[in-house]
Amino acid sequence: EAGVTQSPTHLIKTRGQQVTLRCSPISGHTSVYWYQQALGLGLQFLLWYDEGEERNRGNFPPRFSGRQFPNYSSELNVNALELEDSALYLCASSRGTSTTQETQYFGPGTRLLVL
Amino acid sequence: DQQVKQNSPSLSVQEGRISILNCDYTNSMFDYFLWYKKYPAEGPTFLISISSIKDKNEDGRFTVFLNKSAKHLSLHIVPSQPGDSAVYFCAAPAVQGGSEKLVFGKGTKLTVNP
Repeated sequence: EAGVTQSPTHLIKTRGQQVTLRCSPISGHTSVYWYQQALGLGLQFLLWYDEGEERNRGNFPPRFSGRQFPNYSSELNVNALELEDSALYLCASSRGTSTTQETQYFGPGTRLLVL
Repeated sequence: DQQVKQNSPSLSVQEGRISILNCDYTNSMFDYFLWYKKYPAEGPTFLISISSIKDKNEDGRFTVFLNKSAKHLSLHIVPSQPGDSAVYFCAAPAVQGGSEKLVFGKGTKLTVNP
């Protein structure tokens, strides 16, 4: 069974640009989660999608957005990039809609560098 | 607002000895805790979990202990192996805006020396 996949693996952008990160969940998983791991910080929850709907969002500005497609894959969009957006962006998927019941399986991440 | 705290950024132990990774939390409403392990260039992988109705959960070399009165949990790895060298994250589901999210600690980097 294929795991969670993310693309691209690395990305370099400049301030003010826009970026789109992609995630494909494990087959059969309907929930997709996005996290940001900046240097020296733990994983910060960004977004949670399930069945195409945004279920929850973390404490990030509106320029962080995303969507989930009918095949449950997901995109994370970041507009007007700032230097502090440089981080590892992790996607995870799970079967259900409850984080207490279902283990989240993580992809390898996309490392974004903003210059 | 750090609801889950891992106060030790790093830990170094000798192969064969016990590794103890600590985690403190501030929200007494947390009723489920998870540990994830992360190798460089890989995403975190689920390791072990514990419900608040228990005070111990064991899976092979890994045991998690929960002390609810102290709002503290710990992950014990015994015996430690060089392959256990990784960053370990403690996490708990938190309710925000009527929905749940996983709250992670900052992680503890474990190095097991041969």
